[in-house]
Amino acid sequence: GDSVTQMEGPVTLSEEAFLTINCTYTATGYPSLFWYVQYPGEGLQLLLKATKADDKGSNKGFEATYRKETTSFHLEKGSVQVSDSAVYFCALSDGGSQGNLIFGKGTKLSVKP
Amino acid sequence: EAGVAQSPRYKIIEKRQSVAFWCNPISGHATLYWYQQILGQGPKLLIQFQNNGVVDDSQLPKDRFSAERLKGVDSTLKIQPAKLEDSAVYLCASSLTTYEQYFGPGTRLTVT
Repeated sequence: GDSVTQMEGPVTLSEEAFLTINCTYTATGYPSLFWYVQYPGEGLQLLLKATKADDKGSNKGFEATYRKETTSFHLEKGSVQVSDSAVYFCALSDGGSQGNLIFGKGTKLSVKP
Repeated sequence: EAGVAQSPRYKIIEKRQSVAFWCNPISGHATLYWYQQILGQGPKLLIQFQNNGVVDDSQLPKDRFSAERLKGVDSTLKIQPAKLEDSAVYLCASSLTTYEQYFGPGTRLTVT
């Protein structure tokens, strides 16, 4: 079945460092891809999405490009802030009418001042 | 716009007891989802409703879990009897389209 694999955490960075969180997927069709973020004590929030190959999703300085040839959707940010400390989840949807999400295990990011 | 509401936020019960969680989706969202998130893992879909009807409950352990959606709005997820392995955060989400789901804060269940 479809699945998502994320890099293991936790990831600890200093403020203003460059962030990459790797995400690869396995899917039989043409899924849509998502990054969700979970701040401490809060629910999941959609960070960005891409619905077809070569699309780039972006939000709040974060970016991810849908790479069909490498089945990847890596999350990047040029300069992280302490407020970016959270757990980041990569997810895919099979794109059908049900829109079911399949999540990776999550990567915890801690940014130190 | 009010977000997805869930209650209670925390619940501690002993194994073999029963428990129920409540979810109120965003107004107008026809689709409602319940996910189970075990510590250290990503959320896993338990059941999906479209209005009153069940669209997908293939991963719902039906011998102990049940869910209903009243009048196509609020939803309740019940576990009876609970097992230790049911300890998790139960997330409710709702959506207007298939591309964006809005999540509630979750209910953290501890089974002792």
